[in-house]
Amino acid sequence: EIVLTQSPATLSLSPGERATLSCRASQSVSSYLAWYQQKPGQAPRLLIHDASNRATGTPARFSGSGSGTDFTLTISSLEPEDFAIYYCQQRSNWPLTFGPGTKVDIK
Amino acid sequence: EVQLVESGGGLVHPGGSLRLSCAASGFTFGGYAMNWVRQAPGKGLEWISYISSSDGTMYHADSVKGRFTISRDNANNLLFLQMDSLRDEDTALYYCATQGFDFWGQGTLVTVSS
Repeated sequence: EIVLTQSPATLSLSPGERATLSCRASQSVSSYLAWYQQKPGQAPRLLIHDASNRATGTPARFSGSGSGTDFTLTISSLEPEDFAIYYCQQRSNWPLTFGPGTKVDIK
Repeated sequence: EVQLVESGGGLVHPGGSLRLSCAASGFTFGGYAMNWVRQAPGKGLEWISYISSSDGTMYHADSVKGRFTISRDNANNLLFLQMDSLRDEDTALYYCATQGFDFWGQGTLVTVSS
């Protein structure tokens, strides 16, 4: 099973700041990595698929990069609605696995 | 508009069974693989099951293998999860999601407790 590690666990930032979230895989997942946003009481929302492709409706301030084992989700300038938990997911191997999440909260 | 609506959750004793359903609309259900993902209270996401669009290929997480079975009825746009031998640790909100995880339902809560 591929284990995903996300860092930091919590990121405390102010609106307008840049957020950089990391996801590391225990073995290569090529570019088969996705990022999700989840707000309290809501289902997860797909933001990025295949490491760097924005899903339909994902604002341009969200960008994904990386390949192999190291991936980054960047939010260029945090909007109030961006404070949430972010999960990465690998789709390279069965079983599909999610990382433990990074909580982005308001400083 | 794509809609996924889960149902069938509830309170069940350890060792019991439940059958979850996911009603799909707004897209050609039979053309897409589907998934179940769960989230224990206050915890992260766990993928648990996948079924292909039509050839019956299935995958299950080790945590549910041999106890849960995913199935589908393409004629009626329904996805199912048969859950047997339920354990306390199966308590979670269960979501159905489309092939690329681009659409999710709102989830149905399963509580396993004596």
